[in-house]
Amino acid sequence: NAGVTQTPKFQVLKTGQSMTLQCAQDMNHEYMSWYRQDPGMGLRLIHYSVGAGITDQGEVPNGYNVSRSTTEDFPLRLLSAAPSQTSVYFCASRASANVLTFGAGSRLTVL
Amino acid sequence: QKEVEQDPGPLSVPEGAIVSLNCTYSNSAFQYFMWYRQYSRKGPELLMYTYSSGNKEDGRFTAQVDKSSKYISLFIRDSQPSDSATYLCAMSAPYGQNFVFGPGTRLSVLP
Repeated sequence: NAGVTQTPKFQVLKTGQSMTLQCAQDMNHEYMSWYRQDPGMGLRLIHYSVGAGITDQGEVPNGYNVSRSTTEDFPLRLLSAAPSQTSVYFCASRASANVLTFGAGSRLTVL
Repeated sequence: QKEVEQDPGPLSVPEGAIVSLNCTYSNSAFQYFMWYRQYSRKGPELLMYTYSSGNKEDGRFTAQVDKSSKYISLFIRDSQPSDSATYLCAMSAPYGQNFVFGPGTRLSVLP
């Protein structure tokens, strides 16, 4: 049982490049979400999904796209990377209890 | 005013000390309160979960919620060097899709 798996762990991009952060969970959780973590800011919700085919915006959605074609996968796309998107990104899923299970994180640097 | 306030520390204590970590919040709709522990370069992991007001104890850890004061606390008894981590408080409202996190308090327990 792997839980929540994120890839890649580290990535360096140049301004304007695009990329996808991958997230997969094997717990059959309907709810999945993406957070970014910045110093002094706490975790902020980017996008979330309550099931396959359903996504919605969180607190800081600009510059990011998501899709949810299966229960297991919830990729996060950066369309045109900007230095302000330098951050640590966490994917999390939630079972019926009001508790999040996090992945190990993806550390992104945009030059 | 931020929705959740938390002293970022750092907080350094000797091994065996009692540690008190606190958060204040402004949204009276919050009913679910959580504490997450995050080791360096890892994802947050759930430590304690409390619904509404009251106390909850789990081993060396005690979580307290005072909804009248909008104040939550985490106490760590007989602190160990392995408790050195960042502690994040989090909360959510019933049927809410967003968990609001504090910025985290960095704790060091010195041998």
